[in-house]
Amino acid sequence: DAGITQSPRHKVTETGTPVTLRCHQTENHRYMYWYRQDPGHGLRLIHYSYGVKDTDKGEVSDGYSVSRSKTEDFLLTLESATSSQTSVYFCAIDTGLTSTDTQYFGPGTRLTVL
Amino acid sequence: RKEVEQDPGPFNVPEGATVAFNCTYSNSASQSFFWYRQDCRKEPKLLMSVYSSGNEDGRFTAQLNRASQYISLLIRDSKLSDSATYLCVVNGRGSTLGRLYFGRGTQLTVWP
Repeated sequence: DAGITQSPRHKVTETGTPVTLRCHQTENHRYMYWYRQDPGHGLRLIHYSYGVKDTDKGEVSDGYSVSRSKTEDFLLTLESATSSQTSVYFCAIDTGLTSTDTQYFGPGTRLTVL
Repeated sequence: RKEVEQDPGPFNVPEGATVAFNCTYSNSASQSFFWYRQDCRKEPKLLMSVYSSGNEDGRFTAQLNRASQYISLLIRDSKLSDSATYLCVVNGRGSTLGRLYFGRGTQLTVWP
């Protein structure tokens, strides 16, 4: 158990509304990641963070922003949700002091945008 | 071309069978390789890392062929509990630090 929680676990929202997903870890790991998973696609990286206030874009970052003001929390925001952002969102951490490439995942958030 | 390509499956095998999954990757600079397991509606969980010399963990054997950019996972004596989707994962070393690329997964069903 890597001590990762995600909230909310399920959310239904309407197109055009802002949505924020939270990833929380209890062990002060440096590296955190947000992925989305859709049928027909592997997990795809949205954004990642390598420290407080240090974030970078992944391969599918359009329409998403992130913030990391504390080591333990990594927030993913959909500024104006669209139906194409209906997905399962997973947060992950790397437990190494430097990136070990071994990532552990949170339980996921199922988001539906109507 | 996708970074990681996997057998699409699904694989349906009886208990006790041996089953093998294959995966190819496109980035010759990749240095870290993994198999993850994902149960229905759950998060991916690390099954095993894959080392250059090949490695075994109980009934599971992973092989890496760098020259062919090919990874395999062999499951012996399949159990009902092995039913899941298996994800081939490769790092993108040479591009972005700590970035992993995931295959779409191969679905395995073991029947009694």
